[in-house]
Amino acid sequence: GAGVSQSPSNKVTEKGKDVELRCDPISGHTALYWYRQSLGQGLEFLIYFQGNSAPDKSGLPSDRFSAERTGGSVSTLTIQRTQQEDSAVYLCASSKTGSGNTIYFGEGSWLTVV
Amino acid sequence: KQEVTQIPAALSVPEGENLVLNCSFTDSAIYNLQWFRQDPGKGLTSLLLIQSSQREQTSGRLNASLDKSSGRSTLYIAASQPGDSATYLCAAPTDSWGKLQFGAGTQVVVTP
Repeated sequence: GAGVSQSPSNKVTEKGKDVELRCDPISGHTALYWYRQSLGQGLEFLIYFQGNSAPDKSGLPSDRFSAERTGGSVSTLTIQRTQQEDSAVYLCASSKTGSGNTIYFGEGSWLTVV
Repeated sequence: KQEVTQIPAALSVPEGENLVLNCSFTDSAIYNLQWFRQDPGKGLTSLLLIQSSQREQTSGRLNASLDKSSGRSTLYIAASQPGDSATYLCAAPTDSWGKLQFGAGTQVVVTP
């Protein structure tokens, strides 16, 4: 596609349920990032994938969060046993490689945990 | 650790005025710096990317400068329009992989 595509665009889930958020990066982009933006807060790095290298998971806030990237393309961010503090916009981004290239963001997945 | 600061947090100007947005960073060994725009309820739109070897980058009415020695980048928007109303964020990589550290953003309102 022309840009980074994320789904669902909006998700309301009950506390304790698991959710999966999907990101389809720009074709040919080897780097993929997940960020989180809570209401009134700045952007928080979650995880980074670069090609076949081991991902940088240093930003994941707890072991309830995990992400995978299949075939070097589509990525799924999974949040298990969701809590109300998980409510945020989850933004995916991609770039051709790492540093030195423009990073392009998707429109985000808005998650509300009730 | 790279830290990024944006001041002011909010800015209101009348249409036609030039906008000056400031971004400060702590690590002068910066790989590059990127400016983004975020509209309410939307994702981030990349505006300009300045490499560490560059001093400025221009796109239309937008001009961004980079001064590594002082740890500053400035985004200039000429002849502002109401459509320029948005939150502007700057970000710098914290490592060679491109993991970005974002500033908190400057919320801009351009009044007709």
